[in-house]
Amino acid sequence: GEDVEQSLFLSVREGDSSVINCTYTDSSSTYLYWYKQEPGAGLQLLTYIFSNMDMKQDQRLTVLLNKKDKHLSLRIADTQTGDSAIYFCAENTGNNRKLIWGLGTSLAVNP
Amino acid sequence: DGGITQSPKYLFRKEGQNVTLSCEQNLNHDAMYWYRQDPGQGLRLIYYSQIVNDFQKGDIAEGYSVSREKKESFPLTVTSAQKNPTAFYLCASSTLGSETQYFGPGTRLLVL
Repeated sequence: GEDVEQSLFLSVREGDSSVINCTYTDSSSTYLYWYKQEPGAGLQLLTYIFSNMDMKQDQRLTVLLNKKDKHLSLRIADTQTGDSAIYFCAENTGNNRKLIWGLGTSLAVNP
Repeated sequence: DGGITQSPKYLFRKEGQNVTLSCEQNLNHDAMYWYRQDPGQGLRLIYYSQIVNDFQKGDIAEGYSVSREKKESFPLTVTSAQKNPTAFYLCASSTLGSETQYFGPGTRLLVL
C-alpha cells in the first residue's frame, strides 16, 4: 500500500547543513511536500516539488527528488536554532486529494 | 488577513460528554480536513470535505462527526463514543485542483 517513511530524529550543530530524508511508495504521486511543525503549533508548508522536477531551491532550502529510488530529501543550509522542529514529508496520491504523511523527523539544533 | 482559525486552543472534556472543535477559513478553499495527531504517530485523517454539504470518512472516523453547512466552516464533534480523545487536532484546507493543504494552529483536547 501507500507509505511514506522518514527517520525519526536528527541532531546537528548550529551553522551546519541538515539533510532530512524521506522515501515513498506511490510512483504516481504528482506533488511531494515538506511541512514544518514547531512545538504546540500547526503545520507550516515549507516547500513542495512537482514530480517532473529533480531539484528545487528556495533560499536556505534545497529539495532533491530521485524518482527512480522514490527518495526525497530536504537540505537546510546554515541551520539555526529556530530550525528546531518536526519536519513532515507528504505525498499526494490523486486519491480524493488525500495526502499520505510520514511520521515526521524531529530536528534538534545544538548551539 | 487570510488564514485558518481553530478554537479553542485548549479544550477539556468530561467523561460521556460531546465536544465540538471549531475550524474556520477565509481562503475561499473548497476542501477542508480534520487530522488527529498523537505523539510518534504522525497525522491521521479523521474526515474530509471537498464541497459544501458533503464529507467523507478518513482513516479513523469512529467516534467523530462533522458537518459542512458553509464553505468557510468545518466543525468537528468528538462524541462520547471516542474512548481515547486526548490528542492534538489539526484542521486544514485546500483549493480546487490542488492537494496543497494549509493548516490551522490546532486544538489540544484533554480529558478530565
